[in-house]
Amino acid sequence: QKEVEQNSGPLSVPEGAIASLNCTYSDRGSQSFFWYRQYSGKSPELIMFIYSNGDKEDGRFTAQLNKASQYVSLLIRDSQPSDSATYLCAVKGYAGNMLTFGGGTRLMVKP
Amino acid sequence: EPEVTQTPSHQVTQMGQEVILRCVPISNHLYFYWYRQILGQKVEFLVSFYNNEISEKSEIFDDQFSVERPDGSNFTLKIRSTKLEDSAMYFCASSEGVGLGYEQYFGPGTRLTVT
Repeated sequence: QKEVEQNSGPLSVPEGAIASLNCTYSDRGSQSFFWYRQYSGKSPELIMFIYSNGDKEDGRFTAQLNKASQYVSLLIRDSQPSDSATYLCAVKGYAGNMLTFGGGTRLMVKP
Repeated sequence: EPEVTQTPSHQVTQMGQEVILRCVPISNHLYFYWYRQILGQKVEFLVSFYNNEISEKSEIFDDQFSVERPDGSNFTLKIRSTKLEDSAMYFCASSEGVGLGYEQYFGPGTRLTVT
């Protein structure tokens, strides 16, 4: 059974700080890793994806992947109150196209 | 910017009734998906669809579920005989391709309430 684990939070950071969100996955054959943001009552909104070891930056967001440790993270620089949401980690395996989601981490950015 | 649309936004039905949830994927996308999220729980994969066939399905997607692409734009999920535990948000998603680098974009969801 493929598992994707996230700390449910809430993670509270002050405005302007760096928020660090973490995710671990059980299937060593996983190929692609996605971060989605979900506001309460809304659908998942894609932030970015990564599939190579190392860092990938997109604006204020940086995704980090370590396949040996089966660990993926998302850094949000200069956090804003509007970043307050639940952040979902999703993993796609080697075969098939289904996404397996973690339970999400609730981020609260305090002004 | 192209987006996935879903109708209705909220559907209330009685246990045992059939419901059809509708989705219009992004126009140049070829792969379509349904996910669901029970309140307070994880987003769960139901089914993926390509070239008018189911390509993958989860254990949740049993005989009471079916999917169809009735025309060139719509993609539907039918639940034949709804149960209380089918109450959830149902999300449609689509992607241009499969494999590395192909993202899945989600629609706004349909909230299904079974009474």
